[in-house]
Amino acid sequence: SQTIHQWPATLVQPVGSPLSLECTVEGTSNPNLYWYRQAAGRGLQLLFYSVGIGQISSEVPQNLSASRPQDRQFILSSKKLLLSDSGFYLCASGTARDSPLHFGNGTRLTVT
Amino acid sequence: EDQVTQSPEALRLQEGESSSLNCSYTVSGLRGLFWYRQDPGKGPEFLFTLYSAGEEKEKERLKATLTKKESFLHITAPKPEDSATYLCAVANNNAGNMLTFGGGTRLMVKP
Repeated sequence: SQTIHQWPATLVQPVGSPLSLECTVEGTSNPNLYWYRQAAGRGLQLLFYSVGIGQISSEVPQNLSASRPQDRQFILSSKKLLLSDSGFYLCASGTARDSPLHFGNGTRLTVT
Repeated sequence: EDQVTQSPEALRLQEGESSSLNCSYTVSGLRGLFWYRQDPGKGPEFLFTLYSAGEEKEKERLKATLTKKESFLHITAPKPEDSATYLCAVANNNAGNMLTFGGGTRLMVKP
């Protein structure tokens, strides 16, 4: 079964600073990869998804970007963080069409 | 646009008090409806997938059912360890395994 690793687990960053969150997947190859954001007490909002290396689709206009430099590596970045970027960021992986998404344990980002 | 609405937002139960969580959805061609459990500070953990109206799935004290417009997660004789947020999500036929999530129901079971 696949395992999704995310780091760091928590992060406190000042407004205007850069961001890099990393997600790696074990136990599968050529997965579809997703970045979701969860506001406190809310559901999950899809930010980016990728069906292969270098292929990124954005669902929500924002100052965040994503990259997929390797098959099982997905990175979420920002050049300058905003207060509104605070939240719980989750990476997910999906393989076969009818398989469920599997999630990592997330990164709690607080922008101060 | 796919939409998922979960109710209630929060539910407090006494241990042993059975109840149901609701997930209403609109989707352009349902490929699957998914239930997840999420503990505080953790990622969602997969529970069930339902594919067609009338389908039911069970796991311990949980049973998920599906109609053409909604899904229910029935919790029978809950225990404190069932306390968590339960998330419902849908995938449509044109979106691969991308999911659209509802806002979740936060369940608290008191001993």
